Amino acid sequence: QKEVEQNSGPLSVPEGAIASLNCTYSDRVSQSFFWYRQYSGKSPELIMSIYSNGDKEDGRFTAQLNKASQYVSLLIRDSQPSDSATYLCAVFATGYSSASKIIFGSGTRLSIRP
Amino acid sequence: EPEVTQTPSHQVTQMGQEVILRCVPISNHLYFYWYRQILGQKVEFLVSFYNNEISEKSEIFDDQFSVERPDGSNFTLKIRSTKLEDSAMYFCASREHFGSGTRLTVV
Repeated sequence: QKEVEQNSGPLSVPEGAIASLNCTYSDRVSQSFFWYRQYSGKSPELIMSIYSNGDKEDGRFTAQLNKASQYVSLLIRDSQPSDSATYLCAVFATGYSSASKIIFGSGTRLSIRP
Repeated sequence: EPEVTQTPSHQVTQMGQEVILRCVPISNHLYFYWYRQILGQKVEFLVSFYNNEISEKSEIFDDQFSVERPDGSNFTLKIRSTKLEDSAMYFCASREHFGSGTRLTVV
């Protein structure tokens, strides 16, 4: 059974600080990793994708992937109140006996306090 | 930027009725998905669709559910006889890109 685990939070971070969100996954054949932001009542919005070990930066966001540890993280620098949302870690995997699909973690609720 | 379009945005239906949720995926993508999110819960995989057929389905996707791509562009999810517990947000995805969702309310 492929699993994606996240701390549900809430994670409270002061405005301007760095928010750090973590995720672990259980399936070693996982190939692609995504971070989505979801505001209440809205659809998941893709904010970062990462495919190889190391860091990937895009504006205030940095995704980090360590396949050996089966760990992926998201850093948000200079946190803004508009960053308050639920962040979903997702893994795209191709199984030996199943088709490709994206599996989601349960999400971490992030709150940026002014 | 290409996007996934879903209609309707909100559907209210009586228990036992059939509903069809519609999606227009990104045109040059090959993998399409339906996901469900019950209020306050995680996003759950329902079904994946590749090369005009179902490639995988979850335990949730029982006989009351079906998917079609009738005309090469639209991608539909049909729920044959809705139950109260089918009330949820239903998201269509084209690879990793999600549509805005359909909120289904069964009364």
